[in-house]
Amino acid sequence: EAGVAQSPRYKIIEKRQSVAFWCNPISGHATLYWYQQILGQGPKLLIQFQNNGVVDDSQLPKDRFSAERLKGVDSTLKIQPAKLEDSAVYLCASSFDLGGEQYFGPGTRLTVT
Amino acid sequence: KQEVTQIPAALSVPEGENLVLNCSFTDSAIYNLQWFRQDPGKGLTSLLLIQSSQREQTSGRLNASLDKSSGRSTLYIAASQPGDSATYLCAVGSGNTGKLIFGQGTTLQVKP
Repeated sequence: EAGVAQSPRYKIIEKRQSVAFWCNPISGHATLYWYQQILGQGPKLLIQFQNNGVVDDSQLPKDRFSAERLKGVDSTLKIQPAKLEDSAVYLCASSFDLGGEQYFGPGTRLTVT
Repeated sequence: KQEVTQIPAALSVPEGENLVLNCSFTDSAIYNLQWFRQDPGKGLTSLLLIQSSQREQTSGRLNASLDKSSGRSTLYIAASQPGDSATYLCAVGSGNTGKLIFGQGTTLQVKP
C-alpha cells in the first residue's frame, strides 16, 4: 500500500514570495491533515479536511495561508506572502476517518530567506 | 486547552537497557493517544495507537500505557538498540475530530 506522498521535499524562497505544497493521501482515506513543525517542536495542526470539507482550520493564519482539497483526494497548501517565521517542515497526514490512526508523509522542508 | 508535555527532552542510554518515555496531558477527555517516531529529516512513523477505552498496546519491544485519570502515558522500550535512536513524539487526539496535539518530543540516543 502506497503511503502519503508529498512534493516538493525541499523549497527555498525569499520572504514575500509565494509557495505551494502538494499532498496525496493514502487511497481511501477520507481525512487529510496539514501540520507545521518548527525546528525543535512538535507538529501543530494547521487544517483538517474530511473529504472536501474543512473540519478545523482554527490555527491556520488565514491572511497568508490557504488550503484546498477540491475533489476530496489530494490537497494543496499555499503560503502568500511568505514570512521568515514560516520556515518549517510542512507535514501532510491522512486517516481512514475522523479519529483514526494518522499516517504521515515525508514532509516538505521550507526555508524562507 | 489541551497541553501535552514530554519529559525528559533528551535521553542517552547504553545498548540493551530497558527505558521509559513519559507523556503527560492536561485534559483527560481524550479521543485517543498515539506515539510516533521521527528520524532526522524524516516524517513521522506511527508506533502505537491507544484508544481512550484501552489501557495499553504492545508491538514487539514496545509497550504503551494510558492512564486518563492521571493524564499520563508511558512508552516502554525493552532491550534498546542503537537503531532505536530517534525522537519520540506523543500526541493526544482531542474531541471527535481526531485533531492531534503533540508534545515536543524526547530525543533518544542508544549508545553501542
